[in-house]
Amino acid sequence: AQSVTQPDIHITVSEGASLELRCNYSYGATPYLFWYVQSPGQGLQLLLKYFSGDTLVQGIKGFEAEFKRSQSSFNLRKPSVHWSDAAEYFCAVGASNTGKLIFGQGTTLQVKP
Amino acid sequence: AAGVIQSPRHLIKEKRETATLKCYPIPRHDTVYWYQQGPGQDPQFLISFYEKMQSDKGSIPDRFSAQQFSDYHSELNMSSLELGDSALYFCASSLVMSGGLEQYFGPGTRLTVT
Repeated sequence: AQSVTQPDIHITVSEGASLELRCNYSYGATPYLFWYVQSPGQGLQLLLKYFSGDTLVQGIKGFEAEFKRSQSSFNLRKPSVHWSDAAEYFCAVGASNTGKLIFGQGTTLQVKP
Repeated sequence: AAGVIQSPRHLIKEKRETATLKCYPIPRHDTVYWYQQGPGQDPQFLISFYEKMQSDKGSIPDRFSAQQFSDYHSELNMSSLELGDSALYFCASSLVMSGGLEQYFGPGTRLTVT
């Protein structure tokens, strides 16, 4: 069965520090992977996606993610976090036939001044 | 750029009432998805439509039904509302026909059942 696991429920980093949010997936075929960000009470904004090709993908707001098939991982990184990055981050895998998304439990990012 | 529009943004209903949520996808997008996000939860897939036909179905209660109309907007109808239906309901759209699997989400409808 398809599933996504985000091991870290809550992460706190200092402003300016680097960030890595972990994501592990289980999917039988080639996965379509996404990272979305959600501010409180808001909708989901697409940060970046991986379909194929280069395993290091760049997204908006200075985020990047690396697909590692051997580890079934798609971790999100940012070299220097800004206070405005505080939000909920969701990793998701997309079904290749219908496109429905299966989300991880989410990671809440808190940024200390 | 045009985004996904959802209406209403907020809705308060009583138990056993009926609610209708509307979704207007990004122009020319051919696929609509509905998700339910409970408090502190991740979004759960409910149902999707491709070219006005149901394309996939998730954990959608029998009390809920949905359809996509000729203008591609979609409506989620919810009957016999229960307290547990209180959630944020998202609609997303994509252009599957051209291989676009990324989904663009609307702002959501917050449904409160009292």
